[in-house]
Amino acid sequence: NAGVTQTPKFQVLKTGQSMTLQCAQDMNHNSMYWYRQDPGMGLRLIYYSASEGTTDKGEVPNGYNVSRLNKREFSLRLESAAPSQTSVYFCASSLTGGGYGYTFGSGTRLTVV
Amino acid sequence: GENVEQHPSTLSVQEGDSAVIKCTYSDSASNYFPWYKQELGKRPQLIIDIRSNVGEKKDQRIAVTLNKTAKHFSLHITETQPEDSAVYFCAASENSGAGSYQLTFGKGTKLSVIP
Repeated sequence: NAGVTQTPKFQVLKTGQSMTLQCAQDMNHNSMYWYRQDPGMGLRLIYYSASEGTTDKGEVPNGYNVSRLNKREFSLRLESAAPSQTSVYFCASSLTGGGYGYTFGSGTRLTVV
Repeated sequence: GENVEQHPSTLSVQEGDSAVIKCTYSDSASNYFPWYKQELGKRPQLIIDIRSNVGEKKDQRIAVTLNKTAKHFSLHITETQPEDSAVYFCAASENSGAGSYQLTFGKGTKLSVIP
């Protein structure tokens, strides 16, 4: 039972390049999330998917797109990377509805130069 | 949307002492309040949570209290040990409609336990 798996773990991009962060969960959770973590800023929600087939913007969606490929997989795409997107990205999943904690992936450390 | 304030941002305690971290939230409709521990370079992990119909919950050396009237909740760690050193995040569950909920996190507290 792997839980939430994220790839890659580390990535360096040049400004303007694109990339997709992959996330998969095997816990049969309906809801999935992408957060970014910056020093002193806590965890900020980028996008979420309450259930398969739906996606919604979070607090900081600009510069990102997402795809809920199926119930297991939720990807995050940077179309044209900028230095301001240098961060640690965490994917998480949970049961649907309030009152459930998240299980986080191990994170992707992204540097944009 | 929900706003979660967390204090203090850093906390140093002597091994064996207690540590208290406090959070306030803005949305009176929030009804679920988890706490996460994040060790350096690792993922956040859920350590304890509380729902709005409960005032206090305890699990060994950690406890969480909730005051819905004042809209604040706190994490208490007793008999601290060096392995408690980490960043702790509080969160509140926000209902964005149609049964969709997301967690809004505080900015974190870096706890250092001095041997």
